Amino acid sequence: EVQLVESGGGLVQPGRSLRLSCAASGFTFDDFGMHWVRQAPGKGLQWVAGISWNSGSIGYADSVKGRFTISRDNAKNSLYLQMNSLRPEDTALYYCTKGSGGSYYDPFDIWGQGTMVTVSS
Amino acid sequence: EIVLTQSPGTLSLSPGEGATLSCRASQSVSNSYLAWYQQKPGQAPRLLIYGASSRATGIPDRFSGSGSGTDFTLTVSRLEPEDSAVYYCQQYGDSALTFGGGTKVEIK
Repeated sequence: EVQLVESGGGLVQPGRSLRLSCAASGFTFDDFGMHWVRQAPGKGLQWVAGISWNSGSIGYADSVKGRFTISRDNAKNSLYLQMNSLRPEDTALYYCTKGSGGSYYDPFDIWGQGTMVTVSS
Repeated sequence: EIVLTQSPGTLSLSPGEGATLSCRASQSVSNSYLAWYQQKPGQAPRLLIYGASSRATGIPDRFSGSGSGTDFTLTVSRLEPEDSAVYYCQQYGDSALTFGGGTKVEIK
């Protein structure tokens, strides 16, 4: 079964850091691009960051550029999101998603169930 | 960044009716790299349409997509109660991927 399982969310104070992880199974992880998408409570979807199969293409939403870093470890079938200088507006459910191809420019055909990040003092 | 504007904000329709959802881009979407997703309460989104008009695996043919350039449409024919959800469009042709604000479809 194709599966994405996020972890690492929680309550964190503004200005602090958090690292999200996504464990992938049921498919050849290093064949596909991967992304993080977030959804603030009661709001719509926002793309956060994406990475191609070999980490050759990486991109970020303007709202997180310079604060968040996406990375992957193909040997461990894992995707990561290092989040620094967190702000209250970063509070959201963070989804790990799989691209349908290896590039950065593919739709998202598999989604995890998400991990909640709450930034509050 | 390409801004996607979805309309209407909410649609309230009866079972068996058809729904037409619009997604308008602030600039042309490269290669018609436009997708539609369905999200039900408490669930992760599900891919419905990609490449503006291709149905994803397992999606019934009641769902169809059309459009190019800056104007795209998702059509749901013969609405069923389980189609009640929020529908999002997304462009993945620009290095800054973006989603529309969503259209909520309510089944009376």
